[in-house]
Amino acid sequence: AQTVTQSQPEMSVQEAETVTLSCTYDTSESDYYLFWYKQPPSRQMILVIRQEAYKQQNATENRFSVNFQKAAKSFSLKISDSQLGDAAMYFCAYRTSIGSGYALNFGKGTSLLVTP
Amino acid sequence: NAGVTQTPKFRILKIGQSMTLQCAQDMNHNYMYWYRQDPGMGLKLIYYSVGAGITDKGEVPNGYNVSRSTTEDFPLRLELAAPSQTSVYFCASSPSETQYFGPGTRLLVL
Repeated sequence: AQTVTQSQPEMSVQEAETVTLSCTYDTSESDYYLFWYKQPPSRQMILVIRQEAYKQQNATENRFSVNFQKAAKSFSLKISDSQLGDAAMYFCAYRTSIGSGYALNFGKGTSLLVTP
Repeated sequence: NAGVTQTPKFRILKIGQSMTLQCAQDMNHNYMYWYRQDPGMGLKLIYYSVGAGITDKGEVPNGYNVSRSTTEDFPLRLELAAPSQTSVYFCASSPSETQYFGPGTRLLVL
């Protein structure tokens, strides 16, 4: 079974500081996709960043970047210059093949608190 | 361009009642999905569709049914509501790798 583990239920960061959220996954596939989604109190699931496993270069989107370690099956999210609006649940997800389609396997999430 | 829309936003059902959660997308995506999110958990796949007329079960399909008569719409049917179906339901669509989510429907079964 393919699983996604987020070992930090809660994290806290001060405004303007940097925080890293951890994620590990288990898969037997060689080509796959990984994602980080943000879920604010509104419950909307918002895509933060994605990584293709065949790309060695770590993905970056403005203040968000990942550290993708394929051999270690690790996919951490770094948020730089944290802002109050970054406070949310963050979910790591792995795209897996099922039947004729695909599904996202989600971790249980990390709640990020941003303090002034 | 509205993206993925879901109705209703919130609903209270009595045990044994039925209802349909609506989902529509205007991005012409072939893939569509239904997930549920229980408190303190990530999302779990209920059903998915790879195109009009084609649907298949996900990880937690029991108690639900779906249909996909058009590319745009993917309704989720609950036939006999049970307290275990109290959850937040998300619809998503995808052109290929990345899934885009609707705002969710919160369902309470009492």
